[in-house]
Amino acid sequence: NAGVMQNPRHLVRRRGQEARLRCSPMKGHSHVYWYRQLPEEGLKFMVYLQKENIIDESGMPKERFSAEFPKEGPSILRIQQVVRGDSAAYFCASSPDRGLEGKNIQYFGAGTRLSVL
Amino acid sequence: AQSVTQPDIHITVSEGASLELRCNYSYGATPYLFWYVQSPGQGLQLLLKYFSGDTLVQGIKGFEAEFKRSQSSFNLRKPSVHWSDAAEYFCAVRGDSNYQLIWGAGTKLIIKP
Repeated sequence: NAGVMQNPRHLVRRRGQEARLRCSPMKGHSHVYWYRQLPEEGLKFMVYLQKENIIDESGMPKERFSAEFPKEGPSILRIQQVVRGDSAAYFCASSPDRGLEGKNIQYFGAGTRLSVL
Repeated sequence: AQSVTQPDIHITVSEGASLELRCNYSYGATPYLFWYVQSPGQGLQLLLKYFSGDTLVQGIKGFEAEFKRSQSSFNLRKPSVHWSDAAEYFCAVRGDSNYQLIWGAGTKLIIKP
């Protein structure tokens, strides 16, 4: 049973380019969460999606960032016109459901390390 | 607002020695608490969790953690570390939303031979 798969593992972009990060959740999981980790900091929540729905994007910057989780295929985190401050590790997690009273476990991928030159 | 503090950025212990990694949280209600480990180049792996019940929880790889409400702490322990335990350890608490995890900044564990 494959875990959460993220690709690419490393992504280098120049300022102004677009970055697309992919996340395939564990089999049977329909809930996806994206987190960002800046150097020397803990992870910060960005967005929570279910299939075809954005449930909570309160942690995502209002401009240049978007996320989707289509009916078929992986979840995509898209960053347009990247800037140096976007350099970070982006982690995706999945869970089978939201869990009763929040008692769910999120399973994480290995992350995508984005470097903006 | 919820927050998690891991006061030690780095900890160095000798192989075979005992380990305790500190985690303090700030959360108004009963917290759900987690410890994850990140080995170099790997994803975050869940070591253990606390939802309710027995305040001493056992995890994988010989780790345990104790929830102390009076101290708002959830420290991770292992009686005897192995070189393979060298990694970064993250403490997290479930936020008000029931799905957001609030994370500490992590503690890097270095093992001396």
